[in-house]
Amino acid sequence: DGGITQSPKYLFRKEGQNVTLSCEQNLNHDAMYWYRQDPGQGLRLIYYSQIVNDFQKGDIAEGYSVSREKKESFPLTVTSAQKNPTAFYLCASSILLAGVDEQFFGPGTRLTVL
Amino acid sequence: AQKITQTQPGMFVQEKEAVTLDCTYDTSDPSYGLFWYKQPSSGEMIFLIYQGSYDQQNATEGRYSLNFQKARKSANLVISASQLGDSAMYFCAMRGWNTGNQFYFGTGTSLTVIP
Repeated sequence: DGGITQSPKYLFRKEGQNVTLSCEQNLNHDAMYWYRQDPGQGLRLIYYSQIVNDFQKGDIAEGYSVSREKKESFPLTVTSAQKNPTAFYLCASSILLAGVDEQFFGPGTRLTVL
Repeated sequence: AQKITQTQPGMFVQEKEAVTLDCTYDTSDPSYGLFWYKQPSSGEMIFLIYQGSYDQQNATEGRYSLNFQKARKSANLVISASQLGDSAMYFCAMRGWNTGNQFYFGTGTSLTVIP
């Protein structure tokens, strides 16, 4: 079945540690995205990538980094520079430049920094 | 700049009744698409319905319909015959042809269906 996988579902880290969230898709989509969602809030864009080896900052990129070495994979690293990293992180993908096509989302990762 | 506004933080509806969730948008892009997503408490985002800016008719998908009023820049979601399983957060989103692949989301509306 085609889709997006994120792992792990729950992640706990100590303050000051970097942590990497995994996102893999087998939909053959060119564009991939990372969003952050805080309790009771909407989605805020962290980074997005339209093609391998290229990515753009979203609205809240500070304290995060990404890579896009393969079309299928778009990992997100939450660095120690991120002041308040505890949140729900959603990865998504879509077809490139096709307005009618929706974003497909992964199941999300809940990150808790202790 | 693109902006999506959902002014209803929370809504209640009686089971089997219809409910309308409001969404207004602002864009300078002449061509765009509007989307609605459902997010249950599990956190997954479920795509519900799509409306293109040049579509002449309002989109429908089963119990979901989109009341699209282009001149007013509104794209309200109508859920008919509400079910208990409809209780969730609902997000309106937009994607413009000229703004590439970036999607813009509203802050969401929490819908509670009362038995």
